[in-house]
Amino acid sequence: DQQVKQNSPSLSVQEGRISILNCDYTNSMFDYFLWYKKYPAEGPTFLISISSIKDKNEDGRFTVFLNKSAKHLSLHIVPSQPGDSAVYFCAASMNYGGSQGNLIFGKGTKLSVKP
Amino acid sequence: DTGVSQNPRHKITKRGQNVTFRCDPISEHNRLYWYRQTLGQGPEFLTYFQNEAQLEKSRLLSDRFSAERPKGSFSTLEIQRTEQGDSAMYLCASSSSSHRYNEQFFGPGTRLTVL
Repeated sequence: DQQVKQNSPSLSVQEGRISILNCDYTNSMFDYFLWYKKYPAEGPTFLISISSIKDKNEDGRFTVFLNKSAKHLSLHIVPSQPGDSAVYFCAASMNYGGSQGNLIFGKGTKLSVKP
Repeated sequence: DTGVSQNPRHKITKRGQNVTFRCDPISEHNRLYWYRQTLGQGPEFLTYFQNEAQLEKSRLLSDRFSAERPKGSFSTLEIQRTEQGDSAMYLCASSSSSHRYNEQFFGPGTRLTVL
């Protein structure tokens, strides 16, 4: 059973507009969530994160929102740029007690930003 | 460059051969993770080290897979008697246990093709 779900395999937006990537999770024990960006033939690059005690974290053009009651998070990119075209992975982890903190990933959403 | 490095970047082998991959983490990071990524999926956790101790290995895909981190620095992942189903991207990530949340940084990966 997939604990982290990204239900949209792909998303296409126009340059300058907002990109919204969504992620749902099932395990209420997750306390940290991350977004990674991945280009073909490269490893994932860390983008932004949020802990479960917050509902929003912003870094430049990137904002992550967390809705714990709905077990849902989203990544907003404003304004979108062609260089943002990549696969975006949502990941979650547990970081307390004896947990090893390994990341559990969604399947990714391929974002295409058109000039 | 102080990021995570992995070697080789690509490996093509024949079924039944053994392969070994190396990961050099960020120098001040004491945690090291191995993941596997197949086409259309997110990275899947395999094993985890804190310093030289392998604290989780139950997720290794079979007894053909093994990993070591002999001096708590670099790590190796070995696959014995490779099968075509082992073809995937093998990713290494590192992090620091001194951080409250487990933000992991990934290397570029090793792409394995088993013929």
